[in-house]
Amino acid sequence: GQNIDQPTEMTATEGAIVQINCTYQTSGFNGLFWYQQHAGEAPTFLSYNVLDGLEEKGRFSSFLSRSKGYSYLLLKELQMKDSASYLCAVLRGGAGSYQLTFGKGTKLSVIP
Amino acid sequence: GAGVSQSPSNKVTEKGKDVELRCDPISGHTALYWYRQSLGQGLEFLIYFQGNSAPDKSGLPSDRFSAERTGGSVSTLTIQRTQQEDSAVYLCASSLDGRAGRNEQFFGPGTRLTVL
Repeated sequence: GQNIDQPTEMTATEGAIVQINCTYQTSGFNGLFWYQQHAGEAPTFLSYNVLDGLEEKGRFSSFLSRSKGYSYLLLKELQMKDSASYLCAVLRGGAGSYQLTFGKGTKLSVIP
Repeated sequence: GAGVSQSPSNKVTEKGKDVELRCDPISGHTALYWYRQSLGQGLEFLIYFQGNSAPDKSGLPSDRFSAERTGGSVSTLTIQRTQQEDSAVYLCASSLDGRAGRNEQFFGPGTRLTVL
């Protein structure tokens, strides 16, 4: 089976940096996605990692260590609009049949 | 259309009734997915369609759930004899080609189903 763990809730201050961790145990690993979901809205794509290391995209960066089954999403210069749930999702499978398994999400609250 | 659309946005039904939820994927996307999101839970995979191939139904929770995808485009998720535990937001997503794995999934706004 597969298991994906991430903190349920986090709070951070506007302008600060926050790191959201995700650990996973799965077979057939083929990459890890991070999605952002504002309350009552659809998830939107943030990042994808398949190789070890850091992927940077503006204020958001995502890191992956396959050997440790670990990823984190780093948000810099936090803004109030960053208040949302952040979903870690593991892509598994292969040979044309892939499946995304999501964690329960981390609800981030950005305070003034 | 510009994005994935779903209808209805909200559905309230009585226990035991059947419901149909519709998803219209992004034009040209060959892969379509259905997920369920319950309060405090992560997105739960239900079913995956890739082109005209047989769907991956491994996530359907019971035989009351079924889905079709006509003409490789629009999909309908049907829940028969609804139960209160079926209450959730049902999300549809599409991607360019699910066989490539890397392709990001674009989500629709969801249908909030409430079973009384």
